[in-house]
Amino acid sequence: DAGVTQSPTHLIKTRGQHVTLRCSPISGHKSVSWYQQVLGQGPQFIFQYYEKEERGRGNFPDRFSARQFPNYSSELNVNALLLGDSALYLCASSLEVTVGQFFGPGTRLTVL
Amino acid sequence: GEDVEQSLFLSVREGDSSVINCTYTDSSSTYLYWYKQEPGAGLQLLTYIFSNMDMKQDQRLTVLLNKKDKHLSLRIADTQTGDSAIYFCAERSSSASKIIFGSGTRLSIRP
Repeated sequence: DAGVTQSPTHLIKTRGQHVTLRCSPISGHKSVSWYQQVLGQGPQFIFQYYEKEERGRGNFPDRFSARQFPNYSSELNVNALLLGDSALYLCASSLEVTVGQFFGPGTRLTVL
Repeated sequence: GEDVEQSLFLSVREGDSSVINCTYTDSSSTYLYWYKQEPGAGLQLLTYIFSNMDMKQDQRLTVLLNKKDKHLSLRIADTQTGDSAIYFCAERSSSASKIIFGSGTRLSIRP
């Protein structure tokens, strides 16, 4: 059974550009969360979606947005990229909102 | 506010036990987790414990929770080279959707 998958694995963008990251949860999981992990730090919560509705949002600017599709896959969008947005973006899925989350391998975003 | 703290580094000899410690501030924490991250990889959920438990054991892993002191520890028995990784302590309250992570403890193994 496939785990959480994310695409692309790596991405290089320049300041001011827009990026879309994609995530497919474990089959049967209805909740998807997004985290940003800057080098040397723990992951920081960005969003959680459950049954296509936003269930939580972290302290990130409005340049960050996300959505969940009927098949429970999700996209994270970041507009007007800044150098500080360079990080590993992790997607996690779970059966419901409150149980343990299972993480994908992440998308490494580099902003030049 | 919510905060999770861990020491940054731990070095142990192969075959010894490793004990990674963590403190948290949120008294409403309901779920406490340990995740493992190997270089260039995502996070692997190792184990979790509910706040109404004191201890959980799973093969070589033992989790101890002192709720009064808000202290969580992960003991890895018979530490192997494959245990080299960064270990993240994390917590979540029952009312929150987000998991709060510590900064991670880098475990290195000496021969």
